[in-house]
Amino acid sequence: DTEVTQTPKHLVMGMTNKKSLKCEQHMGHRAMYWYKQKAKKPPELMFVYSYEKLSINESVPSRFSPECPNSSLLNLHLHALQPEDSALYLCASSRRVGGTDTQYFGPGTRLTVL
Amino acid sequence: DQQVKQNSPSLSVQEGRISILNCDYTNSMFDYFLWYKKYPAEGPTFLISISSIKDKNEDGRFTVFLNKSAKHLSLHIVPSQPGDSAVYFCAASGLSGSARQLTFGSGTQLTVLP
Repeated sequence: DTEVTQTPKHLVMGMTNKKSLKCEQHMGHRAMYWYKQKAKKPPELMFVYSYEKLSINESVPSRFSPECPNSSLLNLHLHALQPEDSALYLCASSRRVGGTDTQYFGPGTRLTVL
Repeated sequence: DQQVKQNSPSLSVQEGRISILNCDYTNSMFDYFLWYKKYPAEGPTFLISISSIKDKNEDGRFTVFLNKSAKHLSLHIVPSQPGDSAVYFCAASGLSGSARQLTFGSGTQLTVLP
């Protein structure tokens, strides 16, 4: 089983709203990732969590706030976003942060900021 | 500076023939390479990977070849099927501090014609 689930599938929000994206995996993976993908572009890494601790933050604006409540869950809290933040947000997980492990991706949340 | 390049944005192949997708990289610290397939508005699906200590890995219709001296890898799909039509991303994995990161190419849109 290599399933990563993400909710919601679609989200439309205004620039003053606060919303959260949720990601879940039950594969026992200890590394979880948030990526942002714009149309016709490759995924861009935003955050990496290793054993529930933030290990990489790729200079992401503070209006994106990640949270890892436990080893199976990863959230991305959104506040005061801009229209240019509209994109597909992807969650991924892998067994370890180091080592040659494959990352498995969820289906993504399509975010539209009005 | 693109460390992983897919120079062909698109490729069309007749059903039943071989599809060859190419990828070049510049960073010799990459030690693990992956191919992902992506349909619109979905997350990337892992296809096949190869460690830098190997030069070939095969899984069913998919074979990945690695030429370390040329810093080049390719994905062969044979026989190609219409359901293979998707965007294919090459990704290279390397350690950044204590964390492993994926660097993606820009993708190649494969169209398999019936």
